[in-house]
Amino acid sequence: AQRVTQPEKLLSVFKGAPVELKCNYSYSGSPELFWYVQYSRQRLQLLLRHISRESIKGFTADLNKGETSFHLKKPFAQEEDSAMYYCALRPLSNTGKLIFGQGTTLQVKP
Amino acid sequence: NAGVTQTPKFQVLKTGQSMTLQCAQDMNHEYMSWYRQDPGMGLRLIHYSVGAGITDQGEVPNGYNVSRSTTEDFPLRLLSAAPSQTSVYFCASGHYEQYFGPGTRLTVT
Repeated sequence: AQRVTQPEKLLSVFKGAPVELKCNYSYSGSPELFWYVQYSRQRLQLLLRHISRESIKGFTADLNKGETSFHLKKPFAQEEDSAMYYCALRPLSNTGKLIFGQGTTLQVKP
Repeated sequence: NAGVTQTPKFQVLKTGQSMTLQCAQDMNHEYMSWYRQDPGMGLRLIHYSVGAGITDQGEVPNGYNVSRSTTEDFPLRLLSAAPSQTSVYFCASGHYEQYFGPGTRLTVT
Protein backbone atom coordinates (compact mmCIF):
# COMPACT_ATOMS: atom_id res chain seq x y z
CA ALA A 1 0.00 0.00 0.00
CA GLN A 2 1.11 3.54 -0.73
CA ARG A 3 0.97 5.59 2.42
CA VAL A 4 2.55 8.61 4.05
CA THR A 5 2.50 8.92 7.83
CA GLN A 6 3.25 12.00 9.87
CA PRO A 7 2.99 10.82 13.46
CA GLU A 8 2.78 14.24 15.11
CA LYS A 9 -0.30 16.42 14.74
CA LEU A 10 1.36 19.28 16.59
CA LEU A 11 4.97 20.11 17.28
CA SER A 12 5.63 23.03 19.58
CA VAL A 13 9.14 24.41 20.06
CA PHE A 14 10.77 27.60 21.26
CA LYS A 15 12.48 29.99 18.90
CA GLY A 16 16.06 28.94 18.31
CA ALA A 17 15.43 25.28 19.13
CA PRO A 18 16.05 22.52 16.58
CA VAL A 19 13.06 21.18 14.69
CA GLU A 20 12.42 17.75 13.22
CA LEU A 21 9.11 16.96 11.56
CA LYS A 22 8.80 13.24 10.99
CA CYS A 23 7.59 11.58 7.83
CA ASN A 24 7.50 7.86 7.09
CA TYR A 25 6.28 6.32 3.89
CA SER A 26 5.20 2.99 2.51
CA TYR A 27 5.92 2.43 -1.17
CA SER A 28 7.24 -0.54 -3.13
CA GLY A 29 9.11 1.34 -5.85
CA SER A 30 11.51 4.29 -5.94
CA PRO A 31 9.64 7.17 -4.33
CA GLU A 32 9.70 10.83 -5.06
CA LEU A 33 9.13 12.76 -1.86
CA PHE A 34 8.22 16.34 -1.13
CA TRP A 35 7.48 18.68 1.72
CA TYR A 36 4.69 21.21 1.24
CA VAL A 37 3.95 24.07 3.64
CA GLN A 38 0.82 26.10 4.32
CA TYR A 39 1.36 29.36 6.18
CA SER A 40 -1.60 31.06 7.79
CA ARG A 41 -3.95 32.49 5.19
CA GLN A 42 -1.70 31.42 2.35
CA ARG A 43 -1.84 28.72 -0.27
CA LEU A 44 -0.21 25.37 0.09
CA GLN A 45 3.18 25.58 -1.58
CA LEU A 46 6.16 23.38 -2.26
CA LEU A 47 8.93 23.72 0.31
CA LEU A 48 11.44 21.22 -0.96
CA ARG A 49 11.85 17.97 -2.87
CA HIS A 50 14.19 15.11 -2.09
CA ILE A 51 15.61 14.84 -5.59
CA SER A 52 17.18 18.28 -5.54
CA ARG A 53 18.78 17.87 -2.08
CA GLU A 54 18.34 21.57 -1.46
CA SER A 55 18.01 23.70 1.65
CA ILE A 56 15.06 26.07 1.63
CA LYS A 57 14.54 28.61 4.42
CA GLY A 58 17.08 26.62 6.43
CA PHE A 59 15.11 23.39 6.13
CA THR A 60 16.61 20.17 4.82
CA ALA A 61 15.24 16.69 4.37
CA ASP A 62 17.11 13.50 3.59
CA LEU A 63 15.54 10.44 2.08
CA ASN A 64 16.41 7.35 4.11
CA LYS A 65 15.32 4.35 2.05
CA GLY A 66 16.35 1.89 4.74
CA GLU A 67 14.07 3.48 7.32
CA THR A 68 11.56 4.67 4.68
CA SER A 69 11.69 8.15 6.15
CA PHE A 70 11.94 11.71 4.88
CA HIS A 71 12.15 13.82 8.01
CA LEU A 72 12.27 17.62 7.73
CA LYS A 73 14.88 19.35 9.85
CA LYS A 74 15.96 22.83 10.77
CA PRO A 75 18.71 23.57 13.29
CA PHE A 76 17.23 26.81 14.66
CA ALA A 77 13.49 27.43 14.44
CA GLN A 78 12.13 30.91 13.73
CA GLU A 79 8.67 32.24 14.60
CA GLU A 80 7.91 32.64 10.89
CA ASP A 81 8.32 28.89 10.47
CA SER A 82 4.99 28.39 12.24
CA ALA A 83 2.75 26.67 9.70
CA MET A 84 1.18 23.38 8.65
CA TYR A 85 3.66 21.02 7.01
CA TYR A 86 2.70 18.15 4.74
CA CYS A 87 4.90 15.35 3.56
CA ALA A 88 3.90 13.97 0.16
CA LEU A 89 4.87 11.03 -2.02
CA ARG A 90 4.59 10.85 -5.79
CA PRO A 91 4.03 7.22 -6.79
CA LEU A 92 4.36 7.53 -10.56
CA SER A 93 6.97 9.56 -12.36
CA ASN A 94 4.71 10.47 -15.27
CA THR A 95 1.85 12.13 -13.40
CA GLY A 96 1.48 14.81 -10.79
CA LYS A 97 -0.52 12.59 -8.46
CA LEU A 98 0.52 13.05 -4.85
CA ILE A 99 -0.24 11.13 -1.67
CA PHE A 100 -0.16 13.37 1.37
CA GLY A 101 0.39 12.66 5.02
CA GLN A 102 -1.92 13.90 7.73
CA GLY A 103 0.08 17.08 8.28
CA THR A 104 1.96 18.47 11.26
CA THR A 105 1.32 21.89 12.71
CA LEU A 106 4.58 23.51 13.76
CA GLN A 107 4.22 26.14 16.42
CA VAL A 108 7.32 28.19 17.21
CA LYS A 109 6.98 30.10 20.45
CA PRO A 110 8.93 33.30 21.16
CA ASN B 1 -0.29 34.84 -14.50
CA ALA B 2 -3.14 34.25 -12.08
CA GLY B 3 -1.93 30.69 -11.40
CA VAL B 4 -4.69 28.48 -10.03
CA THR B 5 -7.99 30.16 -9.24
CA GLN B 6 -10.97 28.69 -7.42
CA THR B 7 -14.52 29.93 -6.96
CA PRO B 8 -16.37 30.35 -4.71
CA LYS B 9 -14.23 30.95 -1.61
CA PHE B 10 -17.04 29.99 0.76
CA GLN B 11 -20.27 28.09 0.26
CA VAL B 12 -23.05 26.80 2.49
CA LEU B 13 -25.32 24.09 1.12
CA LYS B 14 -28.26 22.19 2.47
CA THR B 15 -28.20 18.41 2.39
CA GLY B 16 -29.25 17.16 -1.02
CA GLN B 17 -28.34 20.29 -2.95
CA SER B 18 -25.91 20.14 -5.82
CA MET B 19 -23.21 22.58 -6.82
CA THR B 20 -20.07 22.97 -8.87
CA LEU B 21 -16.72 24.15 -7.54
CA GLN B 22 -14.79 25.91 -10.24
CA CYS B 23 -11.07 25.61 -10.85
CA ALA B 24 -9.00 27.22 -13.58
CA GLN B 25 -5.30 27.50 -14.32
CA ASP B 26 -3.39 29.58 -16.85
CA MET B 27 -0.09 27.71 -16.79
CA ASN B 28 -0.98 25.22 -19.53
CA HIS B 29 -0.59 22.28 -17.16
CA GLU B 30 -1.88 18.94 -18.34
CA TYR B 31 -2.24 17.53 -14.84
CA MET B 32 -4.94 18.89 -12.52
CA SER B 33 -6.40 17.49 -9.34
CA TRP B 34 -8.89 18.04 -6.54
CA TYR B 35 -8.17 17.42 -2.86
CA ARG B 36 -10.18 17.77 0.27
CA GLN B 37 -8.56 18.83 3.51
CA ASP B 38 -9.99 17.60 6.79
CA PRO B 39 -8.50 17.93 10.30
CA GLY B 40 -6.33 14.94 11.15
CA MET B 41 -6.79 13.46 7.67
CA GLY B 42 -4.42 15.60 5.65
CA LEU B 43 -5.19 16.16 1.99
CA ARG B 44 -6.99 13.36 0.22
CA LEU B 45 -7.17 13.10 -3.54
CA ILE B 46 -10.72 13.14 -4.92
CA HIS B 47 -10.24 13.10 -8.70
CA TYR B 48 -7.48 13.98 -11.09
CA SER B 49 -6.95 14.57 -14.78
CA VAL B 50 -3.89 14.06 -16.95
CA GLY B 51 -5.28 16.09 -19.83
CA ALA B 52 -8.42 17.30 -21.57
CA GLY B 53 -10.94 14.51 -21.81
CA ILE B 54 -9.08 12.24 -19.35
CA THR B 55 -10.07 11.93 -15.72
CA ASP B 56 -9.61 9.30 -13.04
CA GLN B 57 -10.61 8.64 -9.47
CA GLY B 58 -8.47 9.34 -6.48
CA GLU B 59 -8.75 8.09 -2.93
CA VAL B 60 -12.20 9.51 -2.05
CA PRO B 61 -14.24 9.95 -5.25
CA ASN B 62 -17.71 8.99 -4.02
CA GLY B 63 -20.25 11.79 -4.26
CA TYR B 64 -18.16 13.84 -6.67
CA ASN B 65 -17.99 14.12 -10.45
CA VAL B 66 -15.45 15.82 -12.66
CA SER B 67 -14.95 16.55 -16.32
CA ARG B 68 -12.12 18.14 -18.27
CA SER B 69 -13.24 19.70 -21.53
CA THR B 70 -10.35 22.17 -21.73
CA THR B 71 -6.77 22.29 -20.46
CA GLU B 72 -7.61 25.34 -18.32
CA ASP B 73 -10.71 24.23 -16.42
CA PHE B 74 -11.40 21.34 -14.07
CA PRO B 75 -14.74 21.73 -12.26
CA LEU B 76 -15.77 19.52 -9.35
CA ARG B 77 -19.46 18.68 -9.02
CA LEU B 78 -21.21 17.64 -5.85
CA LEU B 79 -24.23 15.70 -6.99
CA SER B 80 -26.23 15.57 -3.75
CA ALA B 81 -24.42 17.27 -0.89
CA ALA B 82 -24.06 15.47 2.43
CA PRO B 83 -22.75 16.76 5.79
CA SER B 84 -19.74 14.44 5.38
CA GLN B 85 -18.68 16.62 2.46
CA THR B 86 -18.14 19.60 4.74
CA SER B 87 -14.48 20.34 4.10
CA VAL B 88 -11.97 22.65 2.48
CA TYR B 89 -11.43 21.81 -1.17
CA PHE B 90 -8.21 22.53 -3.02
CA CYS B 91 -7.56 22.39 -6.70
CA ALA B 92 -3.99 21.92 -7.92
CA SER B 93 -2.20 21.80 -11.24
CA GLY B 94 1.29 20.96 -12.39
CA HIS B 95 3.38 18.01 -13.36
CA TYR B 96 6.28 17.81 -10.98
CA GLU B 97 5.59 20.66 -8.61
CA GLN B 98 1.92 21.08 -7.75
CA TYR B 99 0.51 24.62 -7.65
CA PHE B 100 -2.49 24.98 -5.39
CA GLY B 101 -5.48 27.24 -5.49
CA PRO B 102 -6.65 29.26 -2.48
CA GLY B 103 -9.32 26.74 -1.51
CA THR B 104 -13.09 26.63 -1.16
CA ARG B 105 -14.55 26.21 2.31
CA LEU B 106 -17.77 24.22 1.99
CA THR B 107 -20.29 23.65 4.76
CA VAL B 108 -23.18 21.25 4.27
CA THR B 109 -25.98 21.53 6.83
